[in-house]
Amino acid sequence: ETGVTQSPTHLIKTRGQQVTLRCSSQSGHNTVSWYQQALGQGPQFIFQYYREEENGRGNFPPRFSGLQFPNYSSELNVNALELDDSALYLCASSLVGSGGTGELFFGEGSRLTVL
Amino acid sequence: RKEVEQDPGPFNVPEGATVAFNCTYSNSASQSFFWYRQDCRKEPKLLMSVYSSGNEDGRFTAQLNRASQYISLLIRDSKLSDSATYLCVVNADYNFNKFYFGSGTKLNVKP
Repeated sequence: ETGVTQSPTHLIKTRGQQVTLRCSSQSGHNTVSWYQQALGQGPQFIFQYYREEENGRGNFPPRFSGLQFPNYSSELNVNALELDDSALYLCASSLVGSGGTGELFFGEGSRLTVL
Repeated sequence: RKEVEQDPGPFNVPEGATVAFNCTYSNSASQSFFWYRQDCRKEPKLLMSVYSSGNEDGRFTAQLNRASQYISLLIRDSKLSDSATYLCVVNADYNFNKFYFGSGTKLNVKP
């Protein structure tokens, strides 16, 4: 497998609540990206972290925020959950620079249901 | 307009058939191109990168047409195990990995 692990795998929240999703990147990778995949759609880029800083963001509101830690693991936080936030959240790690190809290695995802 | 557009399918083909998927992208400055495969309720996995000169990996051939801004994937001698959703992916920014995914094309290979 990819070596990228995500937790939790499934969770259910109610509208207005907050959620934190976690990701451990593959050993040797320095970049983590988060994607949202709604049913029947392709993954949508949320943001990317490189060297513990946000390094690019897609069209998501500020209530989507994240962190990257010194060990390159990462968290995705979503505040004030809305029904439309129900989706599979995918974390992808990659090696940028240092001869890396930039290929994305995905975790199995965290499936969030907002009621 | 979406950054990457694909025909959602499904493409229903018999084993042994040849099938082709296309996708178009909107940003002419896009730098790199890929096909990912996603099995039902699984994470996407890289199938192959797409180079300007075209490239082949076994039964799979990928082509890039920069002038028309489209990417193609050809699968020859389809196997049952090829049944999956194929995602066209474009990296629009050389400085960091901001990948745009198409919605995917579903392939069903039937016995």
